[in-house]
Amino acid sequence: NAGVTQTPKFRVLKTGQSMTLLCAQDMNHEYMYWYRQDPGMGLRLIHYSVGEGTTAKGEVPDGYNVSRLKKQNFLLGLESAAPSQTSVYFCASRTGVNYEQYFGPGTRLTVT
Amino acid sequence: AQSVTQPDIHITVSEGASLELRCNYSYGATPYLFWYVQSPGQGLQLLLKYFSGDTLVQGIKGFEAEFKRSQSSFNLRKPSVHWSDAAEYFCAGPNDYKLSFGAGTTVTVRA
Repeated sequence: NAGVTQTPKFRVLKTGQSMTLLCAQDMNHEYMYWYRQDPGMGLRLIHYSVGEGTTAKGEVPDGYNVSRLKKQNFLLGLESAAPSQTSVYFCASRTGVNYEQYFGPGTRLTVT
Repeated sequence: AQSVTQPDIHITVSEGASLELRCNYSYGATPYLFWYVQSPGQGLQLLLKYFSGDTLVQGIKGFEAEFKRSQSSFNLRKPSVHWSDAAEYFCAGPNDYKLSFGAGTTVTVRA
């Protein structure tokens, strides 16, 4: 039982490049979330999903897209990376019963 | 709006001393409440949670928290801090389908 895993762990992009971050969970959780964490800003919700095939915007969705084609995977895409998207990205998941979220180890993204 | 707030941005404590981190909530009904810890370079780990029942909740790593409805608080405590407790601590509560996180409290442990 690996829990929540994130791929890749680190990435450096040039401005304008695109990439996809993969989050996978093996706990059969309904809900999945993408957050970004920046110094002094805490955790901010980018997008989330309440089930396979559904997505919704969080607090800071601009510049990001997501997809939840399979229940166990939640993809976060950056179509045209900007330096403002330099951050640490965390994925989380939970059941539909309570609000306890399980977090992945994070992806550190630098956009130059 | 349903939310949690952490009044203290940074706390420094001596190793072996007690620690208390504050969390205030604004919910009408009894909320689910959580404390998470994030060690440097790591993801968030659940320390403890409160759903209902006993207002004193025990967690991992020797931490406990007390739910006080009269004060709208869910403060985290540890009787004797270890150097490995240096980390950032987040209080969280539900907000629609999501969790609302406090801004976090960074704990520094001095020898």
